[in-house]
Amino acid sequence: QVQLVQSGAEVKMPGASVKVSCKASGFAFTSYYMHWVRQAPGQGPEWMGMMHPRSGSTSYAQKFQGRVTMTSDTSTTTVYLELISLTSDDTAVYYCAKDQVVRGDGTRPIFDYWGQGTLVTVSS
Amino acid sequence: EIALTQSPATLSLSPGEGVILSCRASQGVSRWLAWYQQKPGQPPRLLIYDTSNRATGVPDRFSGSGSGTDFTLTISSLEPEDFALYYCQQRDTPPATFGQGTRLEIK
Repeated sequence: QVQLVQSGAEVKMPGASVKVSCKASGFAFTSYYMHWVRQAPGQGPEWMGMMHPRSGSTSYAQKFQGRVTMTSDTSTTTVYLELISLTSDDTAVYYCAKDQVVRGDGTRPIFDYWGQGTLVTVSS
Repeated sequence: EIALTQSPATLSLSPGEGVILSCRASQGVSRWLAWYQQKPGQPPRLLIYDTSNRATGVPDRFSGSGSGTDFTLTISSLEPEDFALYYCQQRDTPPATFGQGTRLEIK
């Protein structure tokens, strides 16, 4: 069965960076776009960006351009999210999510499986 | 970005009742709309995609309809496990965006 297992909670100081991992199993890892979605307390989810593990291609939401990097390691079927220059506004639960759509460019996703979430708290 | 407005923000209902949740898009999204259910401490769970297609394992008491800018999620008879947050998401125009959610609470 499809599983996405994320790394544990993080507490960071303002200005620091964070790197969250998401280990995938149960599906053809290199065939699907993987996305990162975050959810601030009491808010709806917010799409951050996506990457294709086979090609390494990425696309980021304009809001996060310059601060976010998504990478993958096909040998361990893991995707990573790195976010730099953290502020208190970045306090949120960060989710990786698999795209259901096999053929496409990842820009029109259906999020069919989600990781359990990683809480990132930014506080001085 | 396309904004999605969900209404109402909260609904108080009893098990066994039926409910219709609404999602309105700021511009047309054709039929490229999905619904997710989220329970406390859990990630969202895909319920419906492309307006009316139930995801794997979703009970048939959940159904979706609509097109263009107005969409609904109908739960025909609420079970205790259905009391949760519900979000809509459009995938017509990048970036994908979500609504702010409707909370179903037990009356």
